[in-house]
Amino acid sequence: GNSVTQMEGPVTLSEEAFLTINCTYTATGYPSLFWYVQYPGEGLQLLLKATKADDKGSNKGFEATYRKETTSFHLEKGSVQVSDSAVYFCAQNSGGYQKVTFGTGTKLQVIP
Amino acid sequence: KAGVTQTPRYLIKTRGQQVTLSCSPISGHRSVSWYQQTPGQGLQFLFEYFSETQRNKGNFPGRFSGRQFSNSRSEMNVSTLELGDSALYLCASSADSSGNTIYFGEGSWLTVV
Repeated sequence: GNSVTQMEGPVTLSEEAFLTINCTYTATGYPSLFWYVQYPGEGLQLLLKATKADDKGSNKGFEATYRKETTSFHLEKGSVQVSDSAVYFCAQNSGGYQKVTFGTGTKLQVIP
Repeated sequence: KAGVTQTPRYLIKTRGQQVTLSCSPISGHRSVSWYQQTPGQGLQFLFEYFSETQRNKGNFPGRFSGRQFSNSRSEMNVSTLELGDSALYLCASSADSSGNTIYFGEGSWLTVV
């Protein structure tokens, strides 16, 4: 079946460090891929998305490229801020509709 | 434009009781879906509705049910509550049926004691 695997957390970085959170997926067909962010006590916010191979999603300095050959969608940011501290979820939607499969989440803590 | 609104935000119920959670999608959105989030199981899909019809259902027991009204508002119901039903229940909506852009509400925190 469809699944998403992302790196275990927590990830602790100093402010202005480079961030990479790895994400790989298994799916039948060609899914749409997403990164969501969840701040403490809140719901999920769509951070970025890519709907086809080689697409790059970007938002708020975060980027991720849809790599079909490696079935990956790694999240990157060149310089993290304390305000980026949150849990990040990689997700896919391969069947259309709203049935999204999520990874387990990676908690990011950025220290000043 | 108002986001996805869920009520109540927090509630405590006793084992064996039932609960109804409400979700108002973003204006104009016709698709609504529900997810359960727990520390142990993560985010799991419950069900999805489009134009009052259930299109998809996750692997949850029949105690979990939902519906969508003609104004796209949705409710989910859990009967005979168990301790393991304690979770954050998230509602999401999208404008079309593709599922490519889904917006989540802030969730309803359910505690079963």
